[in-house]
Order: sequence, then structure tokens, then C-alpha cells
Amino acid sequence: EPEVTQTPSHQVTQMGQEVILRCVPISNHLYFYWYRQILGQKVEFLVSFYNNEISEKSEIFDDQFSVERPDGSNFTLKIRSTKLEDSAMYFCASSVGTVNYGYTFGSGTRLTVV
Amino acid sequence: LAKTTQPISMDSYEGQEVNITCSHNNIATNDYITWYQQFPSQGPRFIIQGYKTKVTNEVASLFIPADRKSSTLSLPRVSLSDTAVYYCLVVPSNTGNQFYFGTGTSLTVIP
Repeated sequence: EPEVTQTPSHQVTQMGQEVILRCVPISNHLYFYWYRQILGQKVEFLVSFYNNEISEKSEIFDDQFSVERPDGSNFTLKIRSTKLEDSAMYFCASSVGTVNYGYTFGSGTRLTVV
Repeated sequence: LAKTTQPISMDSYEGQEVNITCSHNNIATNDYITWYQQFPSQGPRFIIQGYKTKVTNEVASLFIPADRKSSTLSLPRVSLSDTAVYYCLVVPSNTGNQFYFGTGTSLTVIP
């Protein structure tokens, strides 16, 4: 079964540092997403990406966040200057289409900001 | 966006059928109902999606009454590996494709 692959599985970074979380979506998927889940809390939408641009973003996705699809296979989430409250599991997801198709999520990157 | 309400937790014995009901009173005409499963430290996994009546796949069944104000996920003969959090989502078709996850139902399967 095709998978969404995320690397690294765990990243520890110092407050104020930049981090890049990487994802390889399923190859024929066209829609890409980032979600996060703070420990013990809900899964929260960050951003969706289609046709090389952001299609929707939440209020969490402020100027410190950016996404990029640099080479046609990778999809990255960059946090420019990490804060303690950015510590969470970050999930990448992809889908073939919109609402009629379920997402496939990756296993996540656990980001710990110290 | 239609808000969903589901039980916070449920327990079941192995081999039993489990039914998790979700209410979504404000569901709109074009909304779909989707269920996801999440194990600890893993991403949510798509289980099933439907619009009305009944949908069945190899994992579960989804029952949606005519008024669509609720839905029931049915897991036949659960095993210990079905212990997970189950999320009911109402996905509007006309506002893009972001999903809003609620708190979900934490299902514990007991030997």
C-alpha cells in the first residue's frame, strides 16, 4: 500500500532555531497538507497546498511557517524561529482529490523545542 | 462547519461488535461524513466515508440515517489491535479540503 513518508521521525531543536520537516507524498496525489497535534490535544489543520501554491491555511500558520514543494516529490514545512509551543507531532498528508477521497497521513515528525 | 459530537471513550470486549455514534445536527447538504482511526504517535488513518444510507468496506460499516444528523461507525468483532481513537469528521465539499478533527472517541478493547 502506498505510503506518505516523513523525515525525521523525531527532531529536537533549540528555541529560535529554524527547522525543516520533510515529507514525500504519494506519487500520484495532487493535494498536500500539514497538520499538527500537540500532546494530548486535537489534530489541527495548518495548511493545504495544491498546484504549487497554498490553497488554505489556518490561523496557526502564521509568518513563521512556510511550505514548499521544491522538486516535485518532496513537500516541506519550515518553521523559521521555533518557540516552545511549537513542540508537537507534525503530520503530512496527501490526497488524490478533494472531499470524495480520504487523506493518507504520514507517521509524523515529533518536534521537541527546548 | 458542522460540529460533531461523539462519546469521549468506550470500552468493549474482544470479539464484540462496537458501534460509535456521532451527531452532526448542522450537517449541510453537500457535506460528507468521514471516519479516521489514530493509534498513539501515528497519523490518522482513513477508515470509511459516506454521504447517506450505508457504506461497507473490509474494515467497517457506516450507517447514516435519512436526516443525516448522525452517523454510526460499526466495527465488527473487535480485537485488541482496534484500541485507538476514532474520529468522526464532517467534510464540507464547498470550502476546500481541510479537515477539522474533534476530540474523537477513545476505544479500549479488553481481552
